[in-house]
Amino acid sequence: DVKVTQSSRYLVKRTGEKVFLECVQDMDHENMFWYRQDPGLGLRLIYFSYDVKMKEKGDIPEGYSVSREKKERFSLILESTSTNQTSMYLCASSLSHRTGGGYTFGSGTRLTVV
Amino acid sequence: AQSVAQPEDQVNVAEGNPLTVKCTYSVSGNPYLFWYVQYPNRGLQFLLKYITGDNLVKGSYGFEAEFNKSQTSFHLKKPSALVSDSALYFCAVRSVLSGGYNKLIFGAGTRLAVHP
Repeated sequence: DVKVTQSSRYLVKRTGEKVFLECVQDMDHENMFWYRQDPGLGLRLIYFSYDVKMKEKGDIPEGYSVSREKKERFSLILESTSTNQTSMYLCASSLSHRTGGGYTFGSGTRLTVV
Repeated sequence: AQSVAQPEDQVNVAEGNPLTVKCTYSVSGNPYLFWYVQYPNRGLQFLLKYITGDNLVKGSYGFEAEFNKSQTSFHLKKPSALVSDSALYFCAVRSVLSGGYNKLIFGAGTRLAVHP
């Protein structure tokens, strides 16, 4: 069964700490995405990547950065966490931008910043 | 700009009754439309998609969706609801970016509650 795996289900961090959220897919997908999910706002795109070492800003990139050193791994980095980054973070992948296929999502990481 | 609207925060339906979860979209060109479902503390699961062809699309778990170009709608439907269908449902539309890349734009989500 194909999978997108997020390394942590729940995280609690203090304000100002650095956080790495890891995402690994085993489907040889080209594209990977990081979204955050907040009640009433749906999913908002933070960053995405269409190839190794490529990254593009999404709709809400401020306060975040990403790294994609290998095709299967896409990391979201919060350099200095703040309470407004408390959220559910969802990683997704898709085969190719040339196809009309949908995304496969990980189970999510619920981050609480105190 | 491309966008998706889900006008209902919550839909309540009795088990065995038909259900509809509404979605309207705004996109330039031909739309690629998707429905996803999210169960508690889980990621999103793909239900169905419309790219081209028949306006009635069938998907997983007995769900279907009807594409209506004139009304720019893509409502999710099921003839007979189950309590286990209770979840959060998201509609999404593909947005094509410069360079031919694309991303999905999601609606705010609709919580479906099916009562026994």
